[in-house]
Amino acid sequence: KAGVTQTPRYLIKTRGQQVTLSCSPISGHRSVSWYQQTPGQGLQFLFEYFSETQRNKGNFPGRFSGRQFSNSRSEMNVSTLELGDSALYLCASSPRTADTEAFFGQGTRLTVV
Amino acid sequence: DAKTTQPNSMESNEEEPVHLPCNHSTISGTDYIHWYRQLPSQGPEYVIHGLTSNVNNRMASLAIAEDRKSSTLILHRATLRDAAVYYCILRTGANSKLTFGKGITLSVRP
Repeated sequence: KAGVTQTPRYLIKTRGQQVTLSCSPISGHRSVSWYQQTPGQGLQFLFEYFSETQRNKGNFPGRFSGRQFSNSRSEMNVSTLELGDSALYLCASSPRTADTEAFFGQGTRLTVV
Repeated sequence: DAKTTQPNSMESNEEEPVHLPCNHSTISGTDYIHWYRQLPSQGPEYVIHGLTSNVNNRMASLAIAEDRKSSTLILHRATLRDAAVYYCILRTGANSKLTFGKGITLSVRP
């Protein structure tokens, strides 16, 4: 069974630009969540999508957005990049309930210069 | 979200058992206790989870206190590859959100 696939693995962008990251969940998983990991703040929840609907959102500014497609693949977008957006962005897929494990991808390392 | 409290770090010797504690005094009846670990330069990896009863799998055991206010992750024989940050997380109901704390950094001495 293929794992969670995130693309690209590494990305360098300039301040002010926008970026789109992609996540393909495990086949059959309908829930996709996104997390940001930085040395200072640790792992922080961004948002969760289930059946193309955002079900939960973390405490991030509106520059961070996402969407989920009918095949459960998800994208997240960050507009007007700031230096502080440099981080590892992780995607996790799981069945919906809490009584299941979440499977994480390897992440996308975004560097904003 | 109900919070968990873990020590910052722990050291262990290779091939010895390791007990990683977690306190969650505000746990609610519908909260599942999940453990994840993160090896350097990798995404988090599921270890184990449980609700009320002790749980075992190929990676570890989870011992849950009778009042559910604390739990312990047990690695039966630590290896060097077990050196990682271990996160104890409470996951509620139909909410897939995982709220990560700082976790506990496990070092394993050869």
